[in-house]
Amino acid sequence: NAGVTQTPKFQVLKTGQSMTLQCAQDMNHEYMSWYRQDPGMGLRLIHYSVGAGITDQGEVPNGYNVSRSTTEDFPLRLLSAAPSQTSVYFCASSSTANYGYTFGSGTRLTVV
Amino acid sequence: QKEVEQDPGPLSVPEGAIVSLNCTYSNSAFQYFMWYRQYSRKGPELLMYTYSSGNKEDGRFTAQVDKSSKYISLFIRDSQPSDSATYLCAMSRIKAAGNKLTFGGGTRVLVKP
Repeated sequence: NAGVTQTPKFQVLKTGQSMTLQCAQDMNHEYMSWYRQDPGMGLRLIHYSVGAGITDQGEVPNGYNVSRSTTEDFPLRLLSAAPSQTSVYFCASSSTANYGYTFGSGTRLTVV
Repeated sequence: QKEVEQDPGPLSVPEGAIVSLNCTYSNSAFQYFMWYRQYSRKGPELLMYTYSSGNKEDGRFTAQVDKSSKYISLFIRDSQPSDSATYLCAMSRIKAAGNKLTFGGGTRVLVKP
């Protein structure tokens, strides 16, 4: 049982480049979320999904896109990377019975 | 002002001491309260989960919720060097879409041998 798997673990992008952060969970959780973690800012919600085909914006959605075609996968796309998107990104999943989220190990992204 | 406030620390204690952590919040709609532990360069892991007010104990960990004061606490008894980590409080509203969480900024704890 792998839990929540994120790839890649590290990435360096140039300003203006695009990329997709991958996230997969094997717990059959309905809910999935993307957070970014910055020093002094804590964890902030980017986008979330309540099920396949259903996504919504969180607190800091600008510059990011998501889709959820299957229960298991929830990729995060950076359309045109900016230095302000340098951060650690966490994917997380939860069942509908609100017992908290299970987090992945994170992706450290640097935009130069 | 942030919805959830947490002292960033660091909080340094000797091994065996009681670690006391807390968060205050402003949104009275929060009903689910959680504590996560995050080791350096790792993802947060759920430690404790509490619904509404009261106390919950799990081994060396005790979580308390005082909704009248909008204040939650986590106590770690007989602290060990392996407890050195950042502790994040998180909370959500009942029937929140996607069980969305609002996090505190985290408190860094250092337990010295």
